[in-house]
Amino acid sequence: ETGVTQTPRHLVMGMTNKKSLKCEQHLGHNAMYWYKQSAKKPLELMFVYSLEERVENNSVPSRFSPECPNSSHLFLHLHTLQPEDSALYLCASSQDRFYEQYFGPGTRLTVT
Amino acid sequence: LAKTTQPISMDSYEGQEVNITCSHNNIATNDYITWYQQFPSQGPRFIIQGYKTKVTNEVASLFIPADRKSSTLSLPRVSLSDTAVYYCLVGDWGLTGGGNKLTFGTGTQLKVEL
Repeated sequence: ETGVTQTPRHLVMGMTNKKSLKCEQHLGHNAMYWYKQSAKKPLELMFVYSLEERVENNSVPSRFSPECPNSSHLFLHLHTLQPEDSALYLCASSQDRFYEQYFGPGTRLTVT
Repeated sequence: LAKTTQPISMDSYEGQEVNITCSHNNIATNDYITWYQQFPSQGPRFIIQGYKTKVTNEVASLFIPADRKSSTLSLPRVSLSDTAVYYCLVGDWGLTGGGNKLTFGTGTQLKVEL
């Protein structure tokens, strides 16, 4: 238990669906991150939020839309995804940007 | 960005000491070296972090030579449960106000057998 929770743990969605991934951290951290991990590939940093402000967007397609309503919660809204978007989506938080990151268990997403 | 290079995989046996070396030839003055561990279908977990010389905690040791162009993660007396992917990251932890983009490489798959 790292203090970072993610829901749902597993999600299957069609290409025309809209869904959201939720991340919550109970550590009092100021920075939160979304990562994508595809099979046999390195983790890809998608978005970084610091004090609820998005500070990094690493060329992620617009079908992924992050939201950070407060420093404890982070969402990833998904719409019209492609099968190649199937992956493990990991949320992390840290005290400040790029300090030690604590990862959640991830959401295993399958796009059919 | 300081790029890191690690072996793709390593094999060991229970009770052995495992040393995983990471090369980071273009490490910057403000960069720290950090290692993470990841089990299948889980998020990475912080193991250890250092800047120079040697750092030790209850899990591992980190050896960093004077030129800091490489580092070695040392796991004493590994067990089956240490089978995982180990990532070496190099970056500025925001201490200078800017902060580098930290990138996870492909990591080293450690397999521990009986």
